Amino acid sequence: DAKTTQPNSMESNEEEPVHLPCNHSTISGTDYIHWYRQLPSQGPEYVIHGLTSNVNNRMASLAIAEDRKSSTLILHRATLRDAAVYYCIRDLGTASKLTFGTGTRLQVTL
Amino acid sequence: NAGVTQTPKFRILKIGQSMTLQCTQDMNHNYMYWYRQDPGMGLKLIYYSVGAGITDKGEVPNGYNVSRSTTEDFPLRLELAAPSQTSVYFCASSYLGGEAFFGQGTRLTVV
Repeated sequence: DAKTTQPNSMESNEEEPVHLPCNHSTISGTDYIHWYRQLPSQGPEYVIHGLTSNVNNRMASLAIAEDRKSSTLILHRATLRDAAVYYCIRDLGTASKLTFGTGTRLQVTL
Repeated sequence: NAGVTQTPKFRILKIGQSMTLQCTQDMNHNYMYWYRQDPGMGLKLIYYSVGAGITDKGEVPNGYNVSRSTTEDFPLRLELAAPSQTSVYFCASSYLGGEAFFGQGTRLTVV
């Protein structure tokens, strides 16, 4: 079961950090965690992915729990352009099936 | 660099008609995917391919067919269009399951 669990929606103020949680309690040792986001009327956009240790890139940081049963996507300073649906995806080891869940709709307000 | 290109962008089909949604990528990616997204919902994986000549079913393959004769192209075929296939279709590609790049989508309406 490749299911991940995310809150349906979250809100943030502009310029503040945002922590988007994801639970993946049945994850196996070779499964990567991917995050994508989808802005309104656009295709999904890659954000970040990781396996065990925390990962950083220009868009965000990914914090993976030590037991790997959960992870958190961190947007360091939310902007209005970050308003989107964020998807946490557990990759089933082979990296061949990116299965999306329902995601978290992030609202960013002034 | 064009990335992932989908054609057409919009299409209206009558029930029972057939069509092919085109997807091509110029990044030499081995993995390609087809998704559908119904209004207000997440993406559902229809078919995927890990290389030329290899395809496999995703979550919702019924009513669709794919082929992967080249690395660049991954067309999706609808044989007998039904209203339930009204959706936005996204094609994506990645190299060995890394960062996936998505096309802009094809909005299909079946009436």
